[in-house]
Amino acid sequence: QQQVKQSPQSLIVQKGGIPIINCAYENTAFDYFPWYQQFPGKGPALLIAIRPDVSEKKEGRFTISFNKSAKQFSLHIMDSQPGDSATYFCAASVSSASKIIFGSGTRLSIRP
Amino acid sequence: EPEVTQTPSHQVTQMGQEVILRCVPISNHLYFYWYRQILGQKVEFLVSFYNNEISEKSEIFDDQFSVERPDGSNFTLKIRSTKLEDSAMYFCASRRQGSYEQYFGPGTRLTVT
Repeated sequence: QQQVKQSPQSLIVQKGGIPIINCAYENTAFDYFPWYQQFPGKGPALLIAIRPDVSEKKEGRFTISFNKSAKQFSLHIMDSQPGDSATYFCAASVSSASKIIFGSGTRLSIRP
Repeated sequence: EPEVTQTPSHQVTQMGQEVILRCVPISNHLYFYWYRQILGQKVEFLVSFYNNEISEKSEIFDDQFSVERPDGSNFTLKIRSTKLEDSAMYFCASRRQGSYEQYFGPGTRLTVT
């Protein structure tokens, strides 16, 4: 019940396309859902996050869609660029003091 | 912009040896965490630390692991007797009071031979 399931495992998109990464959870106590971007050899960097009281959040080209009833959330990257090629992790936590539970990651490649 | 820093970037050690991984959290943050990532796998929580004591720890964080905040700036993870399966990237993270956002350091790659 503590898991966050993420798909797909890898994704290849042409430049300008809109990659979509999906995540699902079981634990209804989760109240914070961040997305992290990780480049090879680097630490995860916080990209965007959402709380369950909103259904969508946009920051620049990145959008989180959140479906509380389905216990699913997704990341959309608008106008994707080769520099967006990285591994993306969805995650969740219960309260601000809690550990972050990561999904298994999606390796995204944007082709020029 | 303030960052979490970690040293060393890469540590090679022999099985059975002790290692200490060091982190300097962001200065006004009060909550500290260690995570690890085995090559190609997801990031896993190890331990959280607040007010000079462990708040929560995972099953991975057994008696071979310990954490310490020896002074006002450093946060360390010690592995007493390393095993081959401890080889991983170890990430430190920190968070300020009242925020959900955890900021990660660049990691220490630990290789146990």
